[in-house]
Amino acid sequence: DIVMTQSPDSLAVSLGERATINCKSSQSVLNSSNHKNYLAWYQQKPGQPPKMLIYWASTRESGVPDRFSGSGSGTDFTLTISSLQAEDVAVYYCQQYYSIPLTFGGGTKVEIK
Amino acid sequence: EVQLLESGGGLVQPGGSLRLSCAASGFAFSSYAMKWVRQAPGKGLEWVSSISGSGGSPYYADSVKGRFTISRDNSRSTLYLQMNSLRAEDTAVYYCAKVRVQGAIRNGLDYWGQGTLVTVSS
Repeated sequence: DIVMTQSPDSLAVSLGERATINCKSSQSVLNSSNHKNYLAWYQQKPGQPPKMLIYWASTRESGVPDRFSGSGSGTDFTLTISSLQAEDVAVYYCQQYYSIPLTFGGGTKVEIK
Repeated sequence: EVQLLESGGGLVQPGGSLRLSCAASGFAFSSYAMKWVRQAPGKGLEWVSSISGSGGSPYYADSVKGRFTISRDNSRSTLYLQMNSLRAEDTAVYYCAKVRVQGAIRNGLDYWGQGTLVTVSS
């Protein structure tokens, strides 16, 4: 199984400042045949289901604000919120869909400082 | 508008059974793989099971293999999860989710239902 490890577990960022969340996979999720990283990022607000933000590690889902960006390849990935807004308070999860079982990171809680 | 509506959750004793349903609308249901993902109270997300658009290629997490069965009725645009031999550790909110790309089973999950709570307790 591919283990997804997120860091930090939580972070507090001032409004308008940058938030950076890291995700590391225990093995590469890069498909060499299509050069795609099989990794997605989700945002989950309290009492709500997860919402997909990013797929293929760096492609923003339709309607997602451009302050959210994903980067990385192979085993190391980052979700960046360039200018934190109040509505971005949530738990963020990375997920690999390279192989079964699909696995999620443990989540990173983002709060306002 | 894509909608996914889960039902069938509730309180069940250890060893009991439940069948969850997920009614889908707003997209060509039979063309998309679907998944069940659960979340124990205060915990993270755990993939449970996947099924292709045609109903083939079911996959299960080791934690539920042999106890849970995923299925779908494309004529009713409904996904199911039959859960048998339930344990306390199966207590969670169960979400159904749609795979982003038509025909693909390995991709991000672009729509999720609101979830249904399953509580296994005596």
